[in-house]
Amino acid sequence: SQKIEQNSEALNIQEGKTATLTCNYTNYSPAYLQWYRQDPGRGPVFLLLIRENEKEKRKERLKVTFDTTLKQSLFHITASQPADSATYLCALDLSGGSYIPTFGRGTSLIVHP
Amino acid sequence: DGGITQSPKYLFRKEGQNVTLSCEQNLNHDAMYWYRQDPGQGLRLIYYSQIVNDFQKGDIAEGYSVSREKKESFPLTVTSAQKNPTAFYLCASTFGQGRSYNEQFFGPGTRLTVL
Repeated sequence: SQKIEQNSEALNIQEGKTATLTCNYTNYSPAYLQWYRQDPGRGPVFLLLIRENEKEKRKERLKVTFDTTLKQSLFHITASQPADSATYLCALDLSGGSYIPTFGRGTSLIVHP
Repeated sequence: DGGITQSPKYLFRKEGQNVTLSCEQNLNHDAMYWYRQDPGQGLRLIYYSQIVNDFQKGDIAEGYSVSREKKESFPLTVTSAQKNPTAFYLCASTFGQGRSYNEQFFGPGTRLTVL
């Protein structure tokens, strides 16, 4: 079956380092992939979208890569800050053009001062 | 400010009762969605609507019902048929009729607890 895998273990890093989160998917080639940030008890907030024909996308301290051969997206936060601590969700179209994203479970990022 | 509002933030229900969660948006979005989130789980799609007076079942629609009488409103009813309704419910909307790769805008969520 089609599924999305994000590391369920929290990622702990020191302030100033680069955080790298992984999103793997199986059995399908999505047309796009999105990343969202979710703080505890709140709704997710959209961060970035990358399309299948794009290798990399950047926005301020954020960078997303999309490797359709490896079926993997990497999400990087450079010069991380304690305020970046949150859960990061990836979402992609697994249903063949329905445009409704399927969300992964998310990875918790904890940035220590 | 444009956005999505959900009410109430916390909701308690006795077993056997139906309860309705409110979702309102003033973003002029055509498409609206309801998701359920359980601890350690991803968001699971309950229902979605791409246009007024039309809606479709998502992956876990059993025990839920919706209506879409107005563009800005998409209420979700959790019925007594839902076996395990305790969860965090999120409403979202998308620009257009959801037929593109646009981002989803989420509300603040409603945490439903069955007593």
